[in-house]
Amino acid sequence: RKEVEQDPGPFNVPEGATVAFNCTYSNSASQSFFWYRQDCRKEPKLLMSVYSSGNEDGRFTAQLNRASQYISLLIRDSKLSDSATYLCAVNGKGGGADGLTFGKGTHLIIQP
Amino acid sequence: NAGVTQTPKFQVLKTGQSMTLQCAQDMNHEYMSWYRQDPGMGLRLIHYSVGAGITDQGEVPNGYNVSRSTTEDFPLRLLSAAPSQTSVYFCASSYRGYNEKLFFGSGTQLSVL
Repeated sequence: RKEVEQDPGPFNVPEGATVAFNCTYSNSASQSFFWYRQDCRKEPKLLMSVYSSGNEDGRFTAQLNRASQYISLLIRDSKLSDSATYLCAVNGKGGGADGLTFGKGTHLIIQP
Repeated sequence: NAGVTQTPKFQVLKTGQSMTLQCAQDMNHEYMSWYRQDPGMGLRLIHYSVGAGITDQGEVPNGYNVSRSTTEDFPLRLLSAAPSQTSVYFCASSYRGYNEKLFFGSGTQLSVL
């Protein structure tokens, strides 16, 4: 299994719908999990951290499932402006200071 | 605050040339890192630094050098450019470590012919 895997999509979703996607990780020792958003030809920007108990920020909900080693992102009432690539990030080898390992991203297209 | 500033935004090199990608941050962040992003490969960590005078290798360090003489600056040097180094390069920093919010620069699009 690759370190961090995401379905590349694209996910084509009508405006106002709810969409969810997952990210699996291989290192059971990983402790830090994030979702980043990247617009076309722009730098990634942190969307939200993912906490063990799950967390919500407005229309966005992130969950962590340690047993199955995946994190998820749920977007409710999707907006046109949510169209972007969503990158999951997990801390790397052995939980040390290696830095984050990013997934390749899931491309989301919100259609009017 | 400017945040993380990368220069240049675009660069074209010939095979064998050397160059330095500049990265500076004005947020007094201890942790700085370089990633490259290629189509179908995602972001891959090249080198990182946890403070001035301390650097370490990431996933894909070959062909690149870094130094961290000050807290603010973390330049990335390509020693002898190769076409395989054609990529978009991002510098990122955080206050203390990778497990905190990473702030990214706007990127450098590098083409090696």
